[in-house]
Amino acid sequence: GNSVTQMEGPVTLSEEAFLTINCTYTATGYPSLFWYVQYPGEGLQLLLKATKADDKGSNKGFEATYRKETTSFHLEKGSVQVSDSAVYFCALSRDSNYQLIWGAGTKLIIKP
Amino acid sequence: NAGVMQNPRHLVRRRGQEARLRCSPMKGHSHVYWYRQLPEEGLKFMVYLQKENIIDESGMPKERFSAEFPKEGPSILRIQQVVRGDSAAYFCASSPQGIANEQFFGPGTRLTVL
Repeated sequence: GNSVTQMEGPVTLSEEAFLTINCTYTATGYPSLFWYVQYPGEGLQLLLKATKADDKGSNKGFEATYRKETTSFHLEKGSVQVSDSAVYFCALSRDSNYQLIWGAGTKLIIKP
Repeated sequence: NAGVMQNPRHLVRRRGQEARLRCSPMKGHSHVYWYRQLPEEGLKFMVYLQKENIIDESGMPKERFSAEFPKEGPSILRIQQVVRGDSAAYFCASSPQGIANEQFFGPGTRLTVL
């Protein structure tokens, strides 16, 4: 079946550090891949997405590249800020299917 | 344009009581989705509704859970005779069409069953 696995948290970094949050997936066909972010007390917001192999999604300094050969969609940011502290979720959907399949979430803590 | 609204944000119930969770979609959105997040787990799809219709309830437990999205008013997720295992965060999302990458999420309702 379809599934998403992401690295366990919490991930604790200092401000301006480089961030990688790993995400791998299992799916048949050609899923779309997403990263969502949840700031404290708020709903989930779409951070970035990629719909086909080798696509790179980017937003707010975050990037992730759809790697079909390694079934991965790792989230990266070159220099994190305290305001990036949140929970990050990796998810996939099959084709234009409305169901999102989610990873467990990774809590990111950025210390000043 | 207000986002997806959910209320209450926190709900405490004793075992055997009923829980009603409400979701008001974004303006212009006629598709609503409910997800459940158990502690330390990712979100799990429960049900997909359009106005007055349940499109897919394959993720919803067969007993005690029901959902509706009436012509007027919010979508309601109803849990009857709650048990401790129902304690979770319940998220609602809405979209203008039935496509995953257009879903906008509410802040969630955190249900605690004592």
